[in-house]
Amino acid sequence: SQQGEEDPQALSIQEGENATMNCSYKTSINNLQWYRQNSGRGLVHLILIRSNEREKHSGRLRVTLDTSKKSSSLLITASRAADTASYFCASLSRGNMLTFGGGTRLMVKP
Amino acid sequence: DTAVSQTPKYLVTQMGNDKSIKCEQNLGHDTMYWYKQDSKKFLKIMFSYNNKELIINETVPNRFSPKSPDKAHLNLHINSLELGDSAVYFCATGTSGSTDTQYFGPGTRLTVL
Repeated sequence: SQQGEEDPQALSIQEGENATMNCSYKTSINNLQWYRQNSGRGLVHLILIRSNEREKHSGRLRVTLDTSKKSSSLLITASRAADTASYFCASLSRGNMLTFGGGTRLMVKP
Repeated sequence: DTAVSQTPKYLVTQMGNDKSIKCEQNLGHDTMYWYKQDSKKFLKIMFSYNNKELIINETVPNRFSPKSPDKAHLNLHINSLELGDSAVYFCATGTSGSTDTQYFGPGTRLTVL
């Protein structure tokens, strides 16, 4: 199975609602990152949380990290139709290489 | 200016051919990467390269080879293309150190017929 598995695989919500995506990983990490991918585009870095941090905010994004459970969550508050995209968590490994989860496909309906 | 660019955007070719995908960055980053995204959207690291070290994901067939003519370029050369090589290939750049974030190119969709 993949390192950094996301849950749910797909999420459909109404505009204005909050969206929560979860990620689990297997090995120890220095940090965990979240990326966004619009359809047919490259990935864009959203937020990074270090292993000694438990929560981090950036605008409408809130990330938590539980190293004891090897899990992280990404919360998008007050979602907008423009938030429709796939969201990936990624952990850093040897050579600064990122290991990605399977992603959550978020659809925000206007 | 585009920070990380890839050419071509689409590549359709026959099995057995050899092809290259080019990547260029103007961010001055010291490390470049190649990732493969399959039809189910799973992303897998293929290579990490800086001017000191090439790190290869052990699952990558030796038909794939990165070539770096200079610090701003990391091209991906693929020999004897197979059907299973069809995917979207992303180049990315980053700096080793405090930020650890990576900047991705727009991707190259490779279709092997």
